[in-house]
Amino acid sequence: DAKTTQPNSMESNEEEPVHLPCNHSTISGTDYIHWYRQLPSQGPEYVIHGLTSNVNNRMASLAIAEDRKSSTLILHRATLRDAAVYYCILNYGGSQGNLIFGKGTKLSVKP
Amino acid sequence: GAGVSQTPSNKVTEKGKYVELRCDPISGHTALYWYRQSLGQGPEFLIYFQGTGAADDSGLPNDRFFAVRPEGSVSTLKIQRTERGDSAVYLCASSLGVPGNTIYFGEGSWLTVV
Repeated sequence: DAKTTQPNSMESNEEEPVHLPCNHSTISGTDYIHWYRQLPSQGPEYVIHGLTSNVNNRMASLAIAEDRKSSTLILHRATLRDAAVYYCILNYGGSQGNLIFGKGTKLSVKP
Repeated sequence: GAGVSQTPSNKVTEKGKYVELRCDPISGHTALYWYRQSLGQGPEFLIYFQGTGAADDSGLPNDRFFAVRPEGSVSTLKIQRTERGDSAVYLCASSLGVPGNTIYFGEGSWLTVV
């Protein structure tokens, strides 16, 4: 399975944008890029996913590099409720099969 | 309910005992997944069902772990002869089973083996 690399932790100030990077240099042409986040004592929550083009939804934006070897999750205005562990995951062929989670990036948001 | 429901939310059991963990997926979701998460780690895949059948059980650590989904809806994860190392949060998730589809997770069942 293709792997992803993320920083262990990041800090942000409230109301400021946050850019969470993910490297996936071994990504294949059919791998979708998924982002999930996990708040303390909760199950993972879907954030966004994409294949080649940048994506936007109400929670975040996903910027995908042209060569698809990296991507960035963008939270436009961080709130205290965004403090969580963010996971970048490659989903083979966009299949409904299992997601391989790494350790993710722990995002802290300071008031 | 609107989301994936898991019971019990917490379970403490003695080493060697048998445990069952239940998952009620979102209505209409054909795909169901079980994951396990240890402290400080990301979720680890255990098994995936498409309908009633296990499409991928490659993540089950050994034959003490077994899961069923007899009617294609509710699933039960069964752990025999529990060991202290089985202590973890067991997460269930479901999806429509369409490639690229969003997977929705429950809040997990916290299992502690003493």
